[in-house]
Amino acid sequence: SSELTQDPAVSVALGQTVRITCQGDSLRRYNVSWYLQKPGQAPVFVMYGENIRPSGIPDRVSGSSSGNTASLTITGAQAEDEADYYCKSRDSSGNHVVFGGGTKLTVL
Amino acid sequence: EVQLVQSGAEVKKPGESLKISCKGSGYNFPKYWIGWVRQMPGKGLEWMGIVYPDDSDTRYSPSFRGQVTISADKTINTAYLQWNSLKASDTAIYYCARGSLSQLDYWGQGTLVTVSS
Repeated sequence: SSELTQDPAVSVALGQTVRITCQGDSLRRYNVSWYLQKPGQAPVFVMYGENIRPSGIPDRVSGSSSGNTASLTITGAQAEDEADYYCKSRDSSGNHVVFGGGTKLTVL
Repeated sequence: EVQLVQSGAEVKKPGESLKISCKGSGYNFPKYWIGWVRQMPGKGLEWMGIVYPDDSDTRYSPSFRGQVTISADKTINTAYLQWNSLKASDTAIYYCARGSLSQLDYWGQGTLVTVSS
């Protein structure tokens, strides 16, 4: 099992707001990065830390963190946001990297 | 444009060796870490390890240490992932990605490795 816990699946109505969470004790000390992956494609980097977005990622995607929980929020969800979302950070020792189990986002 | 281009799909038998590659272009290859990530069929992403091509500093996930070898050749802008003796459970897609322990900003297209007798 991963040291970073994600809900396996989340759904959101088209145009609504959804929050995808990632929990782990190491998140109190280390930043998280987020990746989305669509079927048959390589992962794509979408967020680092609190709201550092790579170019090309729309500003309706935002990141935040509080305590042991990091969140990726999508405002005004679109059909193209449907994907698996993974968080990544350090493990509790800080010496190694771990991914969360992933969250499958369905846009209804 | 930053690009990571991985070698093609492989079909191997248990016990065989394999080395797959990841060639970077469009940036100063030696100065960025290259990480390797496994994705088994229908499963999530797993961190395997990372290499810094400039000095070949390598860090392994405890789950993969001793199971694979990660390396890089900065003279040809290429990183490698190697197995000495494949198992059926090594069947997966393997991704390389540029970045650091904190983030992986550019990813290769993935290499499918199938191990079957």
